[in-house]
Amino acid sequence: GENVEQHPSTLSVQEGDSAVIKCTYSDSASNYFPWYKQELGKRPQLIIDIRSNVGEKKDQRIAVTLNKTAKHFSLHITETQPEDSAVYFCAASSLRYGGSQGNLIFGKGTKLSVKP
Amino acid sequence: DTEVTQTPKHLVMGMTNKKSLKCEQHMGHRAMYWYKQKAKKPPELMFVYSYEKLSINESVPSRFSPECPNSSLLNLHLHALQPEDSALYLCATRQNFNEKLFFGSGTQLSVL
Repeated sequence: GENVEQHPSTLSVQEGDSAVIKCTYSDSASNYFPWYKQELGKRPQLIIDIRSNVGEKKDQRIAVTLNKTAKHFSLHITETQPEDSAVYFCAASSLRYGGSQGNLIFGKGTKLSVKP
Repeated sequence: DTEVTQTPKHLVMGMTNKKSLKCEQHMGHRAMYWYKQKAKKPPELMFVYSYEKLSINESVPSRFSPECPNSSLLNLHLHALQPEDSALYLCATRQNFNEKLFFGSGTQLSVL
């Protein structure tokens, strides 16, 4: 089945710096890659997603890049702010797992701390 | 409306109690999920309902019993839980397998 590796597990940056989180996946059939932000005690919130027919997607300070050949995708946050501090999860959606309503396979998460 | 509503927000129960978690959505999504999340871990899939039928059971112990009464509602019935079942229980919905997955606000469960 699909396996998603996420690095680093913790990341500390100064306010205004950029942050990059990287994920790799194993199943070449995966074609949907979302990123979730989870603040302490709250639900995971979808912040950006990308499909396998696109190489890059941006939404204000957040961007995601996908390299299908290498099977890795990355989250880029520019001009970080203290409110960006949270745990970020990458995920991959595989058609092979879970049939027609396939499951998301999550990475283990990255705890991002943005210091003022 | 992109809300997935879960009740209750917090639940404390003893190991002999029976309780139920509820999830409601009005987005017309046909896939509904139950996830369990321990602190500092990613969500872990428990059950998937597709068009109101159970399509995935991730070998979850029978003390957890899901139910989908209609396309808007998803329940998780709890009975004889163990302290290690304490976790955040998340409901989620999506229209198709490669569409956005929306999480509910979760129920923080403590089993004493």
